[in-house]
Amino acid sequence: EVQLVESGGGLVQPGGSLRLSCAASGFTFSSYSMNWVRQAPGKGLEWVSYIVSSSSTIYYADSVKGRFTTSRDNAKNSLYLQMNSLRAEDTAVYYCATPSGNSGYGFEYWGQGTLVTVSS
Amino acid sequence: QSALTQPASVSGSPGQSITISCTGTSSDVGGYNYVSWYQQHPGKAPKLIIYDVGNRPSGVSNRFSGSKSGNTASLTISGLQAEDEADYYCSSYTSSSTRVFGGGTKVTVL
Repeated sequence: EVQLVESGGGLVQPGGSLRLSCAASGFTFSSYSMNWVRQAPGKGLEWVSYIVSSSSTIYYADSVKGRFTTSRDNAKNSLYLQMNSLRAEDTAVYYCATPSGNSGYGFEYWGQGTLVTVSS
Repeated sequence: QSALTQPASVSGSPGQSITISCTGTSSDVGGYNYVSWYQQHPGKAPKLIIYDVGNRPSGVSNRFSGSKSGNTASLTISGLQAEDEADYYCSSYTSSSTRVFGGGTKVTVL
């Protein structure tokens, strides 16, 4: 059974930093690309980042480019999101998600999410 | 990276069929057969119900179907049931190798 467990969320002041983790199990993590998706309270879904299995290619949404860094450790079956220069508008539940079947351009399995609150 | 356009809400009676549209551009929806759809109940993580325009993951009811014409993708829910009341989101791959979501549609079962 595929399991994704996010952690590391919490309350942080504007301008601060936070590192999220996503622990994966139930599939060969090292063979799959991964995604981060976020959802502000009461709002819709927003794609944040995508990383290929080898970490050689990473894409970001314009809203986080230059502030967020996605990485992974295939030996630890873990995905990370380093968030710097946080703003109030980064307040959201952050989900990690696997790619969907065939093309891999959707999001098949999701974690339960971790809440990040940026506030003074 | 403008969000895809979805109607804010759609409603229907039990047993009816409803269709949710998802409009983008030739740089996303219209350019690739990589549209996916998600169902999200309150307080829960999204669930994939359609991928690559019209494919259903294993275990998803065949009452859900997807299609695309030009820059607009559509999700149809047939035989509407009370459990289908939820928020629905579309997503597409883009020419920038990024992904983009629609703003979401709240489905109400009357």
